Amino acid sequence: GQNIDQPTEMTATEGAIVQINCTYQTSGFNGLFWYQQHAGEAPTFLSYNVLDGLEEKGRFSSFLSRSKGYSYLLLKELQMKDSASYLCALTKAAGNKLTFGGGTRVLVKP
Amino acid sequence: DARVTQTPRDKVTEMGQEVTMRCQPILGHNTVFWYRQTMMQGLELLAYFRNRAPLDDSGMPKDRFSAEMPDATLATLKIQPSEPRDSAVYFCASGFGTSGSAPEETQYFGPGTRLLVL
Repeated sequence: GQNIDQPTEMTATEGAIVQINCTYQTSGFNGLFWYQQHAGEAPTFLSYNVLDGLEEKGRFSSFLSRSKGYSYLLLKELQMKDSASYLCALTKAAGNKLTFGGGTRVLVKP
Repeated sequence: DARVTQTPRDKVTEMGQEVTMRCQPILGHNTVFWYRQTMMQGLELLAYFRNRAPLDDSGMPKDRFSAEMPDATLATLKIQPSEPRDSAVYFCASGFGTSGSAPEETQYFGPGTRLLVL
């Protein structure tokens, strides 16, 4: 089976940095995705890590350590529109189904 | 701008009625996923298809749910009979993930069907 843990909620100030951690235990692992979901909307793809290390994409970066079963999503220069849920998800094989964590709701305050 | 489309966007029905949800994947994608999202359970996979063949439907209650892909441009999810506990948002996602490299593995989600069973 798989077990994916993320904090339920985080609050941060506009312009600041927030780091959302995701830890997992799984019997098989291929890659880790981060999705953003605004309230009432569909999840949208943010990042994908299959190798250890940091992937940077503008204000968002994602890190993976396969040996530690750990990932984080780093949001820099927070904007009000970044208030959303952030979902960590795993795949066991290429093109396989996603297994999601419960999501972390991030609230950005002025 | 290629997108996954889903119909209907909202559905309210009474317990015992049949519900059919439709999904049009992004043209060229060979994998279609059905997910369900509730406050209690989060996002969970119901079933998925590759090249129109079902690969995994272990997340789906087989006695009342059925998923099909009549052709490459249409996937359907049917609930018969529906129950109040089926109330959720049902997302369809598509991808082209056999190469093992992003972004080809990325799954793109449709807007969802919000189902309320009374």
